[in-house]
Amino acid sequence: DGGITQSPKYLFRKEGQNVTLSCEQNLNHDAMYWYRQDPGQGLRLIYYSQIVNDFQKGDIAEGYSVSREKKESFPLTVTSAQKNPTAFYLCASSHRTSGELVKNIQYFGAGTRLSVL
Amino acid sequence: GENVEQHPSTLSVQEGDSAVIKCTYSDSASNYFPWYKQELGKRPQLIIDIRSNVGEKKDQRIAVTLNKTAKHFSLHITETQPEDSAVYFCAASGPRGYSTLTFGKGTMLLVSP
Repeated sequence: DGGITQSPKYLFRKEGQNVTLSCEQNLNHDAMYWYRQDPGQGLRLIYYSQIVNDFQKGDIAEGYSVSREKKESFPLTVTSAQKNPTAFYLCASSHRTSGELVKNIQYFGAGTRLSVL
Repeated sequence: GENVEQHPSTLSVQEGDSAVIKCTYSDSASNYFPWYKQELGKRPQLIIDIRSNVGEKKDQRIAVTLNKTAKHFSLHITETQPEDSAVYFCAASGPRGYSTLTFGKGTMLLVSP
């Protein structure tokens, strides 16, 4: 373990509340990612960032927001606009893939399980 | 965009048998195909990967094969052991060039002693 740290491990959200999930990495990776994992759905990309101060929407960005102010940190906010937030959230990081010769090997954190009260 | 289909969703084998998990992808531009293993309650971890310029790759009891023409790739596990029980995910690079991965929905492998 180590390299990518997610906190908290468990999180509960009340109706209308925004909550923020933390992701920190010490692997000196440029790229970071947020995935949502639901049973039988695989890993779906929420947001990703290839470099500090820049991020892109993934496949299911609605109701989520991110920031990338530091290379080591990529927090995810689940807003009240996300009506079905209960899921397991995984953060990952990799070296920046600048072309086809670079493998996008992603390393994952241990995850945060979010539930709605 | 890229779409990755994975089959079967569950697979039960006896210890010592072989297990095969198959995936298909839609984007012919995809050129990198990793496989991740996720044990219950733990993070996904890379177990093997293959590039599009290679047809097969082996690492001890696991191997991956790739058919670019048919756009499918498979994971083969020989001499399965109970500790191989986990959820396995295939992935393909894209659809945003090489900067992202699209994952299959996963296969739960159960190895009975």
